[in-house]
Amino acid sequence: AQSVSQHNHHVILSEAASLELGCNYSYGGTVNLFWYVQYPGQHLQLLLKYFSGDPLVKGIKGFEAEFIKSKFSFNLRKPSVQWSDTAEYFCAVRPKAAGNKLTFGGGTRVLVKP
Amino acid sequence: GAGVSQSPRYKVAKRGQDVALRCDPISGHVSLFWYQQALGQGPEFLTYFQNEAQLDKSGLPSDRFFAERPEGSVSTLKIQRTQQEDSAVYLCASSSPNERETQFFGPGTRLTVL
Repeated sequence: AQSVSQHNHHVILSEAASLELGCNYSYGGTVNLFWYVQYPGQHLQLLLKYFSGDPLVKGIKGFEAEFIKSKFSFNLRKPSVQWSDTAEYFCAVRPKAAGNKLTFGGGTRVLVKP
Repeated sequence: GAGVSQSPRYKVAKRGQDVALRCDPISGHVSLFWYQQALGQGPEFLTYFQNEAQLDKSGLPSDRFFAERPEGSVSTLKIQRTQQEDSAVYLCASSSPNERETQFFGPGTRLTVL
C-alpha cells in the first residue's frame, strides 16, 4: 500500500533558525503533492502544492518545497522561522491513478521558541 | 459560504449510541471528502462524493459507518453503535475542478466515545 512518511515527529527550534521538514512517499506513478499546516486551535490550511512544472514551489508565509522525483521526496523549507510558525505540518500525496483522495503523513509538530 | 463548516464541533457519545456529523462544503464545490484523524496521527481517508454520488467508500472502517449527500451539497457521516475506537476528529473537505481539486478543510468534529 502506498504511504507517506514524515521522518520528524517533533522539531524544536529558535526564531530565525532555518526549518526543513522531510516528506517521502512510496507511490511510483504521477502524483500531486501538498503541504498543509494546522496552527493551534485552527483547522488544516493549505501551505503549498505541486502539480507539475518547476519542482521548486513557493507557498504562503515564506515557505517553499522541492519535489525530487528520483528520491520520491517533497521536503518543506523555510529560511528563517518565526514564533508564529509553531504548528503541526502535514505532507499529503494524491496519486493521479487513485482518484482524488489524499494520503497524509503522520505530521510533524514544530515548536518555535521566541 | 466562505469555507467548509462542520457541526457539531464537539460530540460526546456513550458507547453504543448513534451519532450524525454534518458537513457544509464550500458553495459550488462538487467534490466532498470525509477523513478521520486519530490523536497524534495524520488524517485518513474515509469516503468521497462527487455531487450526490458516493464514488469511493474504501476507507470506511466498518459497516457501522455510513455517509450520504442526497442533494449534492450538505453531507452527513453517521456512525452507528459507537465504540471507543471511533473517538477521533472527523474532517470534511471539499474541492472544485476550478482549483484543480485542491481540498479545503473544515474545522472538524471531535468525537469522544465514553
